[in-house]
Amino acid sequence: EDQVTQSPEALRLQEGESSSLNCSYTVSGLRGLFWYRQDPGKGPEFLFTLYSAGEEKEKERLKATLTKKESFLHITAPKPEDSATYLCAVIRNQAGTALIFGKGTTLSVSS
Amino acid sequence: SAVISQKPSRDICQRGTSLTIQCQVDSQVTMMFWYRQQPGQSLTLIATANQGSEATYESGFVIDKFPISRPNLTFSTLTVSNMSPEDSSIYLCSVKEITDTQYFGPGTRLTVL
Repeated sequence: EDQVTQSPEALRLQEGESSSLNCSYTVSGLRGLFWYRQDPGKGPEFLFTLYSAGEEKEKERLKATLTKKESFLHITAPKPEDSATYLCAVIRNQAGTALIFGKGTTLSVSS
Repeated sequence: SAVISQKPSRDICQRGTSLTIQCQVDSQVTMMFWYRQQPGQSLTLIATANQGSEATYESGFVIDKFPISRPNLTFSTLTVSNMSPEDSSIYLCSVKEITDTQYFGPGTRLTVL
């Protein structure tokens, strides 16, 4: 069965304290992996798409990387405004357009 | 990316009633989807809204419970029928353009008493 697992479920950081979020997946034929950010009471906001092992994408303090079994979202010197739930999703080659989501990691950054 | 709006943003309903949620996009899009986000759970795809034809439902979701309409390329509705407290959730529409990336609306927070 296709599965996406995110860890940790929750992460508390001090401002400036870098860390990484993990997304491990077991899918038959990965076509792409997506990272979203979700603020309370809002819909998910698209961050990155990764298609190939070894691929990296960066945006401000965030960098996403992909291997054959997992993806990492690295947060460098986070600020309080980076506090949110970060969602990982995958899409399979044979599944058309259905996204399979993990449960997310809730990040809290305190000043 | 497309700008997506949903109505209502939230509602509190009595069990046994139905609620229709609207999703409006500011440009024509190829595909529209409806998701459910239950507390502590992953976003789960309910169905793909097909323009001019019946929606395509995922396993565990049926048309009688979640009828969907898509009359044109910018608008879709999801109805949650004969509601029970287990239907309390956030309902989200998303759109897909040329690439695989899906963009989400702000969501509708539904509470069923």
